Amino acid sequence: GENVEQHPSTLSVQEGDSAVIKCTYSDSASNYFPWYKQELGKRPQLIIDIRSNVGEKKDQRIAVTLNKTAKHFSLHITETQPEDSAVYFCAASEAGGGADGLTFGKGTHLIIQP
Amino acid sequence: EAEVAQSPRYKITEKSQAVAFWCDPISGHATLYWYRQILGQGPELLVQFQDESVVDDSQLPKDRFSAERLKGVDSTLKIQPAELGDSAMYLCASSSGHLTDTQYFGPGTRLTVL
Repeated sequence: GENVEQHPSTLSVQEGDSAVIKCTYSDSASNYFPWYKQELGKRPQLIIDIRSNVGEKKDQRIAVTLNKTAKHFSLHITETQPEDSAVYFCAASEAGGGADGLTFGKGTHLIIQP
Repeated sequence: EAEVAQSPRYKITEKSQAVAFWCDPISGHATLYWYRQILGQGPELLVQFQDESVVDDSQLPKDRFSAERLKGVDSTLKIQPAELGDSAMYLCASSSGHLTDTQYFGPGTRLTVL
């Protein structure tokens, strides 16, 4: 089955700086790669996703890049703000977000230092 | 905006007791997922339903866990008997089932087994 590795487990950055979280996956059949943000005690919420026919996707301060050859994808957050502090999870699935279970990474605890 | 509902939000039980969790997906969503999230880790898929049918339960510990979605709408996840290692957050998610859709998570049920 699919295996998703996520690094780093904890990331501390100064407010206003950029943060990068990286994930690798094992199953070359995976085609859908979402990123979820989970604040303490709350549900995971989708912040951005990318499908295998696209190499990069951006939404305001958040961007995701995908390298299918190397089987890795990354989350980039620019101009970080205190409200960006949370745990971020990457995930992968084969069939697509709406039709297939997701395999998650272990998460990255992002800490924004004021 | 419609959301996935779960109850109870918190459950404390003693080992060897039976527990049950309920999930009401977003109206019209054909696909329903149960995930288990151990503290400090990413969610792990337990079971996936398409309408009332189980699509994937390969990671469900079937000796003690059971799940049903009798009318293809709401769903119940049961553990009998509960063990100490079952302490976790149990998350329900739903999607339309379309490849281009994503999964929407409920608030979860926090289970503590004493």
